[in-house]
Amino acid sequence: DIQMTQSPSSVSASVGDRVTITCRASQDVRHWLAWYQQKPGEAPKLLIYATSMLHSGVPSRFSASGSGTDFTLTISSLQPEDFATYYCQHAAAYPYTFGQGTKLEIK
Amino acid sequence: QITLKESGPTLVKPTQTLTLTCTFSGFALTTTEVAVGWIRQPPGRALEWLALIYGAGEIHYSPSLQNRLIITKDTSKNQVVLTMTNVDPVDTATYYCAHRHLGYFDYWGQGILLTVSS
Repeated sequence: DIQMTQSPSSVSASVGDRVTITCRASQDVRHWLAWYQQKPGEAPKLLIYATSMLHSGVPSRFSASGSGTDFTLTISSLQPEDFATYYCQHAAAYPYTFGQGTKLEIK
Repeated sequence: QITLKESGPTLVKPTQTLTLTCTFSGFALTTTEVAVGWIRQPPGRALEWLALIYGAGEIHYSPSLQNRLIITKDTSKNQVVLTMTNVDPVDTATYYCAHRHLGYFDYWGQGILLTVSS
């Protein structure tokens, strides 16, 4: 199985800050990488697919990049509604696997 | 508009067999490109992919659970059913079904919290 490792596990930031979250795959997943946002009590929401493509309706302050084994998600200017937990997921092969999550908290 | 909703028991006893149903609308699970997956999340923990079924019938399971899972579809009812045998308290989690597009889960159900306890 391909293991996905996110860092940091948690991060504190303020509204307006720029935040970057990293996801590392244990094997080459090419561009088959997605990012999800999850708020407490809610289902995850797809933010980014195919490494850098914004899902419909996702604000442009979200961006992502990477390839192979190293990927990043960046939020350019944090808004109050962005405080949540973020997960990466690869789709390069079965089984699909998710990262352990990065909790973005208000400083 | 794509929607999915999970249904099933919220409390089961250890060793029992669990059956969860995902009822969806807004798409047809009949082609090779369309799939529905199941993902679970233990309380306070990360997401775990469980199984996937394509419209053409191809099926994939998590290797760690494949001997306990069966995923089926009923195209006429727009449903996908996940069966898990011999449940254990560690299977306590919120179970989600989701529409898969190009490898990614773009629409999710609200989830159903399952507790395994005697």
